Amino acid sequence: TQLLEQSPQFLSIQEGENLTVYCNSSSVFSSLQWYRQEPGEGPVLLVTVVTGGEVKKLKRLTFQFGDARKDSSLHITAAQPGDTGLYLCATGDNYGQNFVFGPGTRLSVLP
Amino acid sequence: GAGVSQSPSNKVTEKGKDVELRCDPISGHTALYWYRQRLGQGLEFLIYFQGNSAPDKSGLPSDRFSAERTGESVSTLTIQRTQQEDSAVYLCASSPYSHRGSTGELFFGEGSRLTVL
Repeated sequence: TQLLEQSPQFLSIQEGENLTVYCNSSSVFSSLQWYRQEPGEGPVLLVTVVTGGEVKKLKRLTFQFGDARKDSSLHITAAQPGDTGLYLCATGDNYGQNFVFGPGTRLSVLP
Repeated sequence: GAGVSQSPSNKVTEKGKDVELRCDPISGHTALYWYRQRLGQGLEFLIYFQGNSAPDKSGLPSDRFSAERTGESVSTLTIQRTQQEDSAVYLCASSPYSHRGSTGELFFGEGSRLTVL
């Protein structure tokens, strides 16, 4: 089973600041997904990245997939209180089994 | 409803009792996953179903945990002789497909919060 690491574990910033969170593995990802979880709810998919070097943008969120497909980053520009939540990266093996999540980055954006 | 439905939403039980948690996936989704999330923690993979088959049960924490899925729809997670360390939110997710090299989007329910006294 692939193990995922995420950093930082916690992040507290002021509204309007920029931030980047990271997801890493010692193994190559077949594909990688980023989810956001708000309190009392299940995670919701933000993006799926598949190709090494891929960059995807979702409004103020920019996702990068490392060239070697062993790491990924999520950059948020001008963070807002609505961005507060637990950001999780996730991946599965070639058959979708053991679809595992990283420990997450807990983001708090203060107004 | 159109989403993943889990019941009960909250369950308080005494140590040693058995509990059963239910998940109704989105209609037509062949893949179904169970996760455990302890307070302030990430998601711990428990088990995955492709149709009614569970190819890998190695994520289940102990033999007190079991899960089944019938009719490629409803799944139940059963915990026997509950312990205090079983207290957590149990999340269910379904996906429209799962095939070699890729996994579709997982759609999660709101979870079942289990408290063992």
